[in-house]
Amino acid sequence: DSGVTQTPKHLITATGQRVTLRCSPRSGDLSVYWYQQSLDQGLQFLIQYYNGEERAKGNILERFSAQQFPDLHSELNLSSLELGDSALYFCASSPRWGQAEQYFGPGTRLTVT
Amino acid sequence: AQRVTQPEKLLSVFKGAPVELKCNYSYSGSPELFWYVQYSRQRLQLLLRHISRESIKGFTADLNKGETSFHLKKPFAQEEDSAMYYCALEGQGGSEKLVFGKGTKLTVNP
Repeated sequence: DSGVTQTPKHLITATGQRVTLRCSPRSGDLSVYWYQQSLDQGLQFLIQYYNGEERAKGNILERFSAQQFPDLHSELNLSSLELGDSALYFCASSPRWGQAEQYFGPGTRLTVT
Repeated sequence: AQRVTQPEKLLSVFKGAPVELKCNYSYSGSPELFWYVQYSRQRLQLLLRHISRESIKGFTADLNKGETSFHLKKPFAQEEDSAMYYCALEGQGGSEKLVFGKGTKLTVNP
């Protein structure tokens, strides 16, 4: 078990709604990454935080935002949801800056109806 | 632009046969490449990274800069190797973000 936890496991919501996905990194890991996995796009990097600060942005929509809190857990907020946002959202963590090996959580499956 | 291509969506072999999962990349500079594996109902996990030059579960991968490839190989496939395999490249710009290929689903038949 990598130790990264994500809640909830599954989420079903309607278009136009807003949801929050939560991630707790492995103990001591300072970096948190968010990825989106969809059937057509595969695994896409969304955003990275390191010790509370945004470090890198990928293909993240403006309707999406994230933050990392002082206790290092992170939340990904998805708003004005569309059908196309249905996907698996993974969180990963790594120990420190320059440590590229990432440990993944089990993912949150979001279904937008 | 950084890109990782895994040309095979599906790969099926028999137990004991050699297996090679292809990965090609596009990157300017010295890449850091990884193979991640996702077994059924389990989370994505690191299988190996090229800088460590390890053999994990009998798998090896050699970085070929001339061909910009990082193919994953195993001489004798086992049924428990059946899984989704993702090749990934560490991104540029001071971040360790990973750029993933779309994955290859390996099925090892008895």
